[in-house]
Amino acid sequence: QKEVEQNSGPLSVPEGAIASLNCTYSDRGSQSFFWYRQYSGKSPELIMSIYSNGDKEDGRFTAQLNKASQYVSLLIRDSQPSDSATYLCAVKRDEDSSYKLIFGSGTRLLVRP
Amino acid sequence: NAGVMQNPRHLVRRRGQEARLRCSPMKGHSHVYWYRQLPEEGLKFMVYLQKENIIDESGMPKERFSAEFPKEGPSILRIQQVVRGDSAAYFCASSPVGMAGANVLTFGAGSRLTVL
Repeated sequence: QKEVEQNSGPLSVPEGAIASLNCTYSDRGSQSFFWYRQYSGKSPELIMSIYSNGDKEDGRFTAQLNKASQYVSLLIRDSQPSDSATYLCAVKRDEDSSYKLIFGSGTRLLVRP
Repeated sequence: NAGVMQNPRHLVRRRGQEARLRCSPMKGHSHVYWYRQLPEEGLKFMVYLQKENIIDESGMPKERFSAEFPKEGPSILRIQQVVRGDSAAYFCASSPVGMAGANVLTFGAGSRLTVL
């Protein structure tokens, strides 16, 4: 079992719809969770971080965390073609140093005009 | 203000050759991290360096891989006697002085190594 699992996609949504990206993790000791966006051939870019159960909103993005279910998700409202990218979920385990992240393999999102 | 610069962006090597990947951190950043992304997998932490010091190399393979960050010049990830399984994207990240958390990591665009 992978430590951080994501559906590879592609997830295809029409422009203006809500895109829902999901991630599960295996280590209950994980305490910090991050979503990165990576355009093809470019560097991963941090878009959201979440540390406690519940929702965290930032503009069109909402991160949701459920530690009991070991599940973290990213919602993108009013999806735009420019949101088309691979979204990487990353987790920091409790015992690890702050820079040592465990990444999922990413979900490719395609927003259709 | 240039970001994290990695070169080469693409590197092809034959089995048994050496690969050298370079990373120049962002201006004002003194911490460098290397991650590896194998095909169809997530990025995996390899090593964390400060100038002239290896802080954490817990993710580095025990053999053939080495990393350095000299006083002058870029950080270098060196892979000796490459094998096909080394084919991957190698990402470098950097963070500011005194700050090493995930929230302050800036990634480079990666170096893609192909071993024939």
